Amino acid sequence: AQSVTQLGSHVSVSEGALVLLRCNYSSSVPPYLFWYVQYPNQGLQLLLKYTTGATLVKGINGFEAEFKKSETSFHLTKPSAHMSDAAEYFCAVSDSGGNNRLAFGKGNQVVVIP
Amino acid sequence: DVKVTQSSRYLVKRTGEKVFLECVQDMDHENMFWYRQDPGLGLRLIYFSYDVKMKEKGDIPEGYSVSREKKERFSLILESASTNQTSMYLCASSREGLRSETQYFGPGTRLLVL
Repeated sequence: AQSVTQLGSHVSVSEGALVLLRCNYSSSVPPYLFWYVQYPNQGLQLLLKYTTGATLVKGINGFEAEFKKSETSFHLTKPSAHMSDAAEYFCAVSDSGGNNRLAFGKGNQVVVIP
Repeated sequence: DVKVTQSSRYLVKRTGEKVFLECVQDMDHENMFWYRQDPGLGLRLIYFSYDVKMKEKGDIPEGYSVSREKKERFSLILESASTNQTSMYLCASSREGLRSETQYFGPGTRLLVL
């Protein structure tokens, strides 16, 4: 079965500093990978996704992620954190079947320190 | 614009009550999903549906059932609510077909069972 590991449930970052959230996956088939963001009291919103092709994927709000097959990783970065980036971030990998099931990681709660 | 709506943002019920959570999407999506979200556990799939009247169990179906009588509506039913079902419930929908399809989420229903 497909699975995702996100380490560090809470991540603190200073305003203006690099945001780095790590995601490692396990998949028996070529993976499709997703990062979602959840702002307080809201549902999840897609940040970006990797399907095929270019391994560096750019998303909304200045975020990007790089797919590294050799490392089974899909880490999320943003060069300069903003207060509005405070949210919970989830990495997900698609199921091997054709029904769009996703396996989610446990999430990273990002706190931005002024 | 894509929209998934959930009938309630907050719900308080008593142990043993039958609880209905409703989800409606306006994107003509074939797939619909119900997740529960708990701190430190991420999102866990309860049930999903890939067509009207079709359903499949997710990872944690015990204590829940679902109904999909119309394409746009997917209901989650707690036959006899228990305190361990206190949680945030998220509904999502996606197009059928490719594993790369994005899931679109509703705002969530926070359920408290007393």
